[in-house]
Amino acid sequence: AQSVAQPEDQVNVAEGNPLTVKCTYSVSGNPYLFWYVQYPNRGLQFLLKYITGDNLVKGSYGFEAEFNKSQTSFHLKKPSALVSDSALYFCAVRDGSYIPTFGRGTSLIVHP
Amino acid sequence: DSGVTQTPKHLITATGQRVTLRCSPRSGDLSVYWYQQSLDQGLQFLIQYYNGEERAKGNILERFSAQQFPDLHSELNLSSLELGDSALYFCASSGTTGSTGELFFGEGSRLTVL
Repeated sequence: AQSVAQPEDQVNVAEGNPLTVKCTYSVSGNPYLFWYVQYPNRGLQFLLKYITGDNLVKGSYGFEAEFNKSQTSFHLKKPSALVSDSALYFCAVRDGSYIPTFGRGTSLIVHP
Repeated sequence: DSGVTQTPKHLITATGQRVTLRCSPRSGDLSVYWYQQSLDQGLQFLIQYYNGEERAKGNILERFSAQQFPDLHSELNLSSLELGDSALYFCASSGTTGSTGELFFGEGSRLTVL
């Protein structure tokens, strides 16, 4: 079985500061890892993914994520947060079953 | 715009009723997924179809059913509705069932059961 944990329900950061949204996963076999963002009253939008290769993955809107196999983590990062980054962020993992399992989501609040 | 279209956007109905949610995947996508999003359960996978065939089943209640039609659109049928079925229902699509790629989500259908 596969699972995802997002240990923080909410992350608060000041605009211009770096942000990190944490994600740890459990999966048998090689993980396929994803981050999605959900703005209010909208569907989830894909941000980035890790399949194989470089542990640092770059995605949309200046976001990046670091895959750490030994810690089974895939934290989402951005060097300088914007107020417009405030949204709900979901980490997801899948293995050979092709059905991604999503975390419960982390609400990111960026303060002006 | 993800290219995935869901209707209706909002639906209010009474307990015991039946509703149908509709999803049109992105052009060319063969795989359709249905998810339920609620505050207490998070995003729960319900069911997946690939090119008209059911491929995977998740936490889908027996009162719920789905199908994918030859034109690849999908419908999720919810019957004998209960208050607890109130949630946001998302449809997502992807290219092939073996793809390592991401899902493309519609904007959801918000169901309120009174």
